[in-house]
Amino acid sequence: GNSVTQMEGPVTLSEEAFLTINCTYTATGYPSLFWYVQYPGEGLQLLLKATKADDKGSNKGFEATYRKETTSFHLEKGSVQVSDSAVYFCALSDHNNAGNMLTFGGGTRLMVKP
Amino acid sequence: DAMVIQNPRYQVTQFGKPVTLSCSQTLNHNVMYWYQQKSSQAPKLLFHYYDKDFNNEADTPDNFQSRRPNTSFCFLDIRSPGLGDAAMYLCATSRGQGGTGPQHFGDGTRLSIL
Repeated sequence: GNSVTQMEGPVTLSEEAFLTINCTYTATGYPSLFWYVQYPGEGLQLLLKATKADDKGSNKGFEATYRKETTSFHLEKGSVQVSDSAVYFCALSDHNNAGNMLTFGGGTRLMVKP
Repeated sequence: DAMVIQNPRYQVTQFGKPVTLSCSQTLNHNVMYWYQQKSSQAPKLLFHYYDKDFNNEADTPDNFQSRRPNTSFCFLDIRSPGLGDAAMYLCATSRGQGGTGPQHFGDGTRLSIL
């Protein structure tokens, strides 16, 4: 079956620090990969996505590259801000499924201090 | 802007008193999903509709039911809420072609049980 593993949090950084949140996956097909962000009290927002190997998704200064050889999709940002404090979920969607079923990682809480 | 709207944002009900949560979408997506999320854990899929076809997850309690009267609306009914059902409930939508597209989430309804 499909699974997603991401680093446990919380991750605490100072403002302007470099961020990496690791995500690895196992899948039987050819998945699309996503990062979702959840701010306190809100739903999940799509942060970025990649649909095939070597694709790089990017948004709001965040980046992640679909690495098929290492089955990874690590999230990076060069300089975090206090407003980036949130929970980040890595997820995959298997092309073999109808309905774009998502498999989520456990989530990583990021706390950025001024 | 096209979006997924959940009402209400906060719902309080009494132990054992039926409650209905609602979700509407302007994206005209085929698929609508209901998730339960506790304490910033990964969302847990309860069920989804592919058009009018209802798909229940194997471990979703019988206490949870859903209705989709048309493309735009979907409801989550909890027949006899217990204390363990207090959670954030998230609605999401996606197109039905298969795994390339993301799911789009609403802001959620936080359910409290007295």
